[in-house]
Amino acid sequence: EDQVTQSPEALRLQEGESSSLNCSYTVSGLRGLFWYRQDPGKGPEFLFTLYSAGEEKEKERLKATLTKKESFLHITAPKPEDSATYLCAVQATNNFNKFYFGSGTKLNVKP
Amino acid sequence: NAGVTQTPKFQVLKTGQSMTLQCAQDMNHEYMSWYRQDPGMGLRLIHYSVGAGITDQGEVPNGYNVSRSTTEDFPLRLLSAAPSQTSVYFCASSYRRGRQETQYFGPGTRLLVL
Repeated sequence: EDQVTQSPEALRLQEGESSSLNCSYTVSGLRGLFWYRQDPGKGPEFLFTLYSAGEEKEKERLKATLTKKESFLHITAPKPEDSATYLCAVQATNNFNKFYFGSGTKLNVKP
Repeated sequence: NAGVTQTPKFQVLKTGQSMTLQCAQDMNHEYMSWYRQDPGMGLRLIHYSVGAGITDQGEVPNGYNVSRSTTEDFPLRLLSAAPSQTSVYFCASSYRRGRQETQYFGPGTRLLVL
């Protein structure tokens, strides 16, 4: 069964304190792994898609990496405006019309 | 481009009532989908469509119907609302080119069923 687990559920950081969010997945064949940012009361906002183990993508203070079993979202020197819930989702090769989401990591960056 | 739009933003229903959640996109995306988001459970796929006239079930389709008569619109119908359908509903559409995919979400509809 395709499954996505995110950890930790919540993370509190001081401004400038770098850290990583984890997304572990079980899928029959990975077509794509997606990261989103969600602000309170809003829809998820697309950040990255990763397709192959070893792939990395960066956007400002965020860097996403992918292995065969998990993905990490590294946040370097975060700012308060990075506070949000970060969601991870996987798409399987045997049915790429279905996406399986984790329950998210709620990040709070204090000034 | 307006992107993905959803109406209404908030709705209160009584048990047994029916309603339609509207979703539209102006990006000419073939793939559209509906999710519900409940606390601690993440987003769960209800139904999806890969083009006009083509729909299929996701993880949690019971109690919901969809149709896709145009590329732009993908309404979600609740046939007989139940308190278990209290949730936040998101519509999404995807840009697909080969293996590349980017999914865009609407702002959501908050539904309360009493």
